Amino acid sequence: GAVVSQHPSWVICKSGTSVKIECRSLDFQATTMFWYRQFPKQSLMLMATSNEGSKATYEQGVEKDKFLINHASLTLSTLTVTSAHPEDSSFYICSARDWTDYEQYFGPGTRLTVT
Amino acid sequence: AQTVTQSQPEMSVQEAETVTLSCTYDTSENNYYLFWYKQPPSRQMILVIRQEAYKQQNATENRFSVNFQKAAKSFSLKISDSQLGDTAMYFCAFMNPINAGGTSYGKLTFGQGTILTVHP
Repeated sequence: GAVVSQHPSWVICKSGTSVKIECRSLDFQATTMFWYRQFPKQSLMLMATSNEGSKATYEQGVEKDKFLINHASLTLSTLTVTSAHPEDSSFYICSARDWTDYEQYFGPGTRLTVT
Repeated sequence: AQTVTQSQPEMSVQEAETVTLSCTYDTSENNYYLFWYKQPPSRQMILVIRQEAYKQQNATENRFSVNFQKAAKSFSLKISDSQLGDTAMYFCAFMNPINAGGTSYGKLTFGQGTILTVHP
């Protein structure tokens, strides 16, 4: 089956610093990747969609200058949280799909804690 | 915009019994995809079952089956012979079809989730 990895699985950073989260498709070419945010016991909220080689499309209300998304290759997308603040603390999940199927394959998620 | 509603925040069931989780959605599309995902305490999203709207036959995966009522826009999940490992949060999700222009985002819209606890 298709496998998606995320790194790191857990990160703690100080307020005002930036942190980068990587999402990799290990055994397929991900033409499209998605980034979600999830608070405890709540649903997944789509933050943005990225197609390889194109600028990401952000959902309404998501600050594109705070959450920088890069999808430079068919196997890697990164989410950079810039000038992080405690309210950015959350669980971030990526998913990926290729052009042959509509199914999304999810990474294991990254827990971000901003102190 | 599509919406997905799960009206049961929490459910519980005894091991080996059957439980049904409800999901309704709203869309003006005729072709689309529906999914049930499971998120155990590890928080890894796991696909449980999927249904293409053009298929009349309800999808089945081992102990998991759906009751897809297109006209009523209802998509419930039935778990038979519940096991302790079924304890998780379950999400119903809707996906738009690939558009005619060939540019597909295939965005998923999730319901609020149902926390299912299986008791021994």
